[in-house]
Amino acid sequence: SQQGEEDPQALSIQEGENATMNCSYKTSINNLQWYRQNSGRGLVHLILIRSNEREKHSGRLRVTLDTSKKSSSLLITASRAADTASYFCATDVYSSYKLIFGSGTRLLVRP
Amino acid sequence: GAGVSQSPSNKVTEKGKDVELRCDPISGHTALYWYRQSLGQGLEFLIYFQGNSAPDKSGLPSDRFSAERTGGSVSTLTIQRTQQEDSAVYLCASSLGRQTYEQYFGPGTRLTVT
Repeated sequence: SQQGEEDPQALSIQEGENATMNCSYKTSINNLQWYRQNSGRGLVHLILIRSNEREKHSGRLRVTLDTSKKSSSLLITASRAADTASYFCATDVYSSYKLIFGSGTRLLVRP
Repeated sequence: GAGVSQSPSNKVTEKGKDVELRCDPISGHTALYWYRQSLGQGLEFLIYFQGNSAPDKSGLPSDRFSAERTGGSVSTLTIQRTQQEDSAVYLCASSLGRQTYEQYFGPGTRLTVT
């Protein structure tokens, strides 16, 4: 079963707007990661946030983590058409090396 | 440096045939993972290799699936007697080690079973 579930499943915004995606998970984690996938091919790592962190920034990306609610959000500010992709959260089950991926959010940024 | 490479990029095979998919991880990465992604879905964990330890095969969907990793580097995923439901993109990833570092993904092999 899925450890991480993203919400919404699909998101369409205008270039320049902000995009927010949410991820919920079920079990205790060491860290949570966000990945981007273009055109159904290889995934690219975006950002990792550890379980003792609450917020992390990387360029136009802002990730928050609320371990009490078992949820995370990814905010992409000032979106660009090139941000069009699927975004996945991935969690490692505590004391395990495996990453469990959610089903993803498909983001479309309209020029 | 070179990233994770996979071959072939696309494979079309007839139902019942065997296929081999290859993954060449980043040099120095001791951990290697195989995933399967069906159309529009998330990633499904298949198998994990860490150094010389016994692999974690808990995600393999049936005994038709097997994988090996030679010399701690290149890995081959073999699917015997392919079925139409095996059609998917097979993704390989590698990471630095036993702890959950970020994973680096290859471009995937798109398998179509006709």
